[in-house]
Amino acid sequence: KQEVTQIPAALSVPEGENLVLNCSFTDSAIYNLQWFRQDPGKGLTSLLLIQSSQREQTSGRLNASLDKSSGRSTLYIAASQPGDSATYLCAARQRIANSKLTFGKGITLSVRP
Amino acid sequence: EPEVTQTPSHQVTQMGQEVILRCVPISNHLYFYWYRQILGQKVEFLVSFYNNEISEKSEIFDDQFSVERPDGSNFTLKIRSTKLEDSAMYFCASSGVGTDTQYFGPGTRLTVL
Repeated sequence: KQEVTQIPAALSVPEGENLVLNCSFTDSAIYNLQWFRQDPGKGLTSLLLIQSSQREQTSGRLNASLDKSSGRSTLYIAASQPGDSATYLCAARQRIANSKLTFGKGITLSVRP
Repeated sequence: EPEVTQTPSHQVTQMGQEVILRCVPISNHLYFYWYRQILGQKVEFLVSFYNNEISEKSEIFDDQFSVERPDGSNFTLKIRSTKLEDSAMYFCASSGVGTDTQYFGPGTRLTVL
């Protein structure tokens, strides 16, 4: 059974800092991994999807990497801004396309002005 | 930009009552999902639906729950005889053929009293 872990649960950084959010998963036989952003009381906004055959994906100031063999993914945020404050969740998809996502608990990021 | 919509945004019900949560997936998507998030916990998969039938379901999705696509646009989750522990945020998601990214709606907050 896949387990997804995100540590630490919360992170506070000053504005402008580059930061890395970590995600680990127990079953390396994943099909792909998706990163989401969740604002308080709101839905999930997809940020990046990285296929198992890829090493990284980029969108603007965000870069996600994937290392299947070690069961790890990271989300890199460059030049953080107060508007980046939110909870960031990673979710792994097993083996086949369009199957369910298994989520981590998320990392709550606070970017201080 | 197309988006998943959900109604109502907040539903309050008495224990033992039946509720129906409604979702309108993105119009050309063929895969539909329900997830839930109990306050302070991980987002959990409930069920996936494709080609008018359930393709996968979790242990949580027991006989109390059912899903339906009553017409070409709506996707519903019915919870019979609600329990206190059903209180959670319920998210609908959809994905299309050729793209594995799941797009989530804003959620319905269900409160069972």
